Amino acid sequence: DTEVTQTPKHLVMGMTNKKSLKCEQHMGHRAMYWYKQKAKKPPELMFVYSYEKLSINESVPSRFSPECPNSSLLNLHLHALQPEDSALYLCASSHDGQGWNGYTFGSGTRLTVV
Amino acid sequence: DQQVKQNSPSLSVQEGRISILNCDYTNSMFDYFLWYKKYPAEGPTFLISISSIKDKNEDGRFTVFLNKSAKHLSLHIVPSQPGDSAVYFCAASALESGGSNYKLTFGKGTLLTVNP
Repeated sequence: DTEVTQTPKHLVMGMTNKKSLKCEQHMGHRAMYWYKQKAKKPPELMFVYSYEKLSINESVPSRFSPECPNSSLLNLHLHALQPEDSALYLCASSHDGQGWNGYTFGSGTRLTVV
Repeated sequence: DQQVKQNSPSLSVQEGRISILNCDYTNSMFDYFLWYKKYPAEGPTFLISISSIKDKNEDGRFTVFLNKSAKHLSLHIVPSQPGDSAVYFCAASALESGGSNYKLTFGKGTLLTVNP
């Protein structure tokens, strides 16, 4: 298995809703990442987990809450989002965060906040 | 401050010709450079990379050239095929400041269209 699987592929949520994005990989990678990509912009790093511990938080608002229940799973919990949070949310994984081994990206969750 | 720049938002070439995608960077601490290809509604797919200690890496139709003194890299696709039409992102990795994790910084991307 050489894939990063993200669910759901599409999500529409209201500003008062609580929802979660899920990411799963079975490549034995120990670093997992959340990126946010707005239209016609590059992916922007949000969070990095290394060995199931949060190692980088790029000053992301608290309405985004990451969770890494185990080495294969990464969640992003969403609460009280704003319409400007609508974007493609990408999950990625790599062998570990220490030393460059390349990333594998999932296909993303297209989030629309109404 | 954009550390990785792709100044051409789009490029159009004829099938069979060479496509040259350019990327400039400002951070001399970047140690790996990568190109990703992205189709609409999909995540980026790794294409090719180059270490900062090399000046060329080739993989089939794809070649990446690195000019460290100019802080410039380019991706050459020869021959170009219609299936190559996608957004190409240049990305660079560096150890996060004061930390032990590597971070990937992306350029804005270049939309390549290969016409039959």
